Amino acid sequence: DTAVSQTPKYLVTQMGNDKSIKCEQNLGHDTMYWYKQDSKKFLKIMFSYNNKELIINETVPNRFSPKSPDKAHLNLHINSLELGDSAVYFCASSQGLYNEQFFGPGTRLTVL
Amino acid sequence: AQTVTQSQPEMSVQEAETVTLSCTYDTSESDYYLFWYKQPPSRQMILVIRQEAYKQQNATENRFSVNFQKAAKSFSLKISDSQLGDAAMYFCAYRRKGYGGATNKLIFGTGTLLAVQP
Repeated sequence: DTAVSQTPKYLVTQMGNDKSIKCEQNLGHDTMYWYKQDSKKFLKIMFSYNNKELIINETVPNRFSPKSPDKAHLNLHINSLELGDSAVYFCASSQGLYNEQFFGPGTRLTVL
Repeated sequence: AQTVTQSQPEMSVQEAETVTLSCTYDTSESDYYLFWYKQPPSRQMILVIRQEAYKQQNATENRFSVNFQKAAKSFSLKISDSQLGDAAMYFCAYRRKGYGGATNKLIFGTGTLLAVQP
């Protein structure tokens, strides 16, 4: 039983394309997150949603647009992909703002 | 702003031996959480251990324990009886405690890659 799942696991695309990464959690959590892990393995938060409301938006280019259709889903849409967007993107969820965050398996995005 | 520093990019340990991974952090807050996460080659981020700053007792989880020195802002992870499956990247992370959206973001260190030699 997968707790936090992401699709796809791997995504290879050309510069300038638009792509989406989907995240779903079946833990009944109300808070979800997107983190980015760069080529040096550095992990940094991008966005956080609580009850479908955006509560954290770290200085991320507006080419990145998260969308939360319901509490169990948080998708990440990226417009006009650039080489520097190549990274592993992790989705996570927690119950409330202050409890343990559970991570998905990550999506490795490669922009050529 | 809070920062987390892991000064050891790579460490190596013999199977069955003990290894300690270092982490220091900087914050002006008095109450917060600290975490160690493990990321094996599968990429999955796994929570290893958690420490609440107001608790003086060091957290332990089976073979994993921490040495939390609040005044020194140090939070090291000790792995006893190392096993081949412990080989992974280990991340130290910090999270503020309080109210408001910004408190729930994890701030990560740069990671320590642990190799376990048979």
